[in-house]
Amino acid sequence: DAGVIQSPRHEVTEMGQEVTLRCKPISGHDYLFWYRQTMMRGLELLIYFNNNVPIDDSGMPEDRFSAKMPNASFSTLKIQPSEPRDSAVYFCASSLSGWNSPLHFGNGTRLTVT
Amino acid sequence: AQRVTQPEKLLSVFKGAPVELKCNYSYSGSPELFWYVQYSRQRLQLLLRHISRESIKGFTADLNKGETSFHLKKPFAQEEDSAMYYCALRAGATNKLIFGTGTLLAVQP
Repeated sequence: DAGVIQSPRHEVTEMGQEVTLRCKPISGHDYLFWYRQTMMRGLELLIYFNNNVPIDDSGMPEDRFSAKMPNASFSTLKIQPSEPRDSAVYFCASSLSGWNSPLHFGNGTRLTVT
Repeated sequence: AQRVTQPEKLLSVFKGAPVELKCNYSYSGSPELFWYVQYSRQRLQLLLRHISRESIKGFTADLNKGETSFHLKKPFAQEEDSAMYYCALRAGATNKLIFGTGTLLAVQP
């Protein structure tokens, strides 16, 4: 298994542009998480899904952020319009059900908004 | 409120010295605590979980409910331990993990 796959690895865009980050979870995992990593705030949970259904999106910073999971093997995180303060590393992670199941992280997408 | 605090952004020690990475949590119920590690150019991965009472790569962590702490310890640091360490809390019967801000451990030769 290749693990959680995220694309692109790096994204540089100008302020105001739309950005779409993609994630393919590990096959069979029924939980999917989107995290944002910054030096100041560490790893922040943005949203997570269970069986493709959004369960908790309280971490999504603003209406500019949206996430979807149309099927069990794909999820997107979209920022529209993007702003310089959105610059961060965005991680996707997946896990099995069960309170003791570890999260498996992707390599992350480094987003730079100029 | 559920919160994880890692007071040190950077911890620098010499090889062979003891290491303690601090983690404190805030949660009114019965917590599940974890340590995750991110080595250079590698993915963030689980290091250990308190429920297992395990020692991984020489690291241990004991849950102290009285002090609401879950500090990560190793008696003799190795250069290969240099990495970013995150403490995480699972609150309640969910798979949601709340992470601290992380501590960068630098082990000097």
